[in-house]
Amino acid sequence: DARVTQTPRHKVTEMGQEVTMRCQPILGHNTVFWYRQTMMQGLELLAYFRNRAPLDDSGMPKDRFSAEMPDATLATLKIQPSEPRDSAVYFCASGPPGLSYEQYFGPGTRLTVT
Amino acid sequence: DQQVKQNSPSLSVQEGRISILNCDYTNSMFDYFLWYKKYPAEGPTFLISISSIKDKNEDGRFTVFLNKSAKHLSLHIVPSQPGDSAVYFCAASGHAGNMLTFGGGTRLMVKP
Repeated sequence: DARVTQTPRHKVTEMGQEVTMRCQPILGHNTVFWYRQTMMQGLELLAYFRNRAPLDDSGMPKDRFSAEMPDATLATLKIQPSEPRDSAVYFCASGPPGLSYEQYFGPGTRLTVT
Repeated sequence: DQQVKQNSPSLSVQEGRISILNCDYTNSMFDYFLWYKKYPAEGPTFLISISSIKDKNEDGRFTVFLNKSAKHLSLHIVPSQPGDSAVYFCAASGHAGNMLTFGGGTRLMVKP
């Protein structure tokens, strides 16, 4: 049963601390997406990778957020320093090679910054 | 500037009746549209999609209609079941590279 996994599922941290969220895409998928879900904005795209190369991170606050893919089985999203307004659910999704538009989402990381 | 909008944040329907969820978009370059369903504490899951060369796609109880001239799509669920209670997101793509732009979601509640 191929699934996207995300860790941690929940994270509570204090303002100013570094937060790292991890994602393992489905084996064989070559695209990875990071989204943030908030009450006001729905699902916002933060970053997008294809074959581990970043293709679009225009939705990501550059001063505090960074996204990387150290290898094909791991994507990371870091926030440093974190702020209360970063509190949200962060989803990772992966997609298969080719022209498919379908994305397969992980269960999300619920981040609370106090 | 939201390119994909779901103007109804919530919808309540009686079991067995039809549920109609609506979505509007502004970008005429969008050529592929998808609906995702999301249960609490889970990630969204793909439900149904439609290409811009079609105006209707049906999969069991779910039908998506696309009106390109109005830049409007809708998801019909017939008959609605309590297990359909979830948040539904519409999404659109027209970019190279499979990027999706999501709407804000509509929470559907199907009452027994």
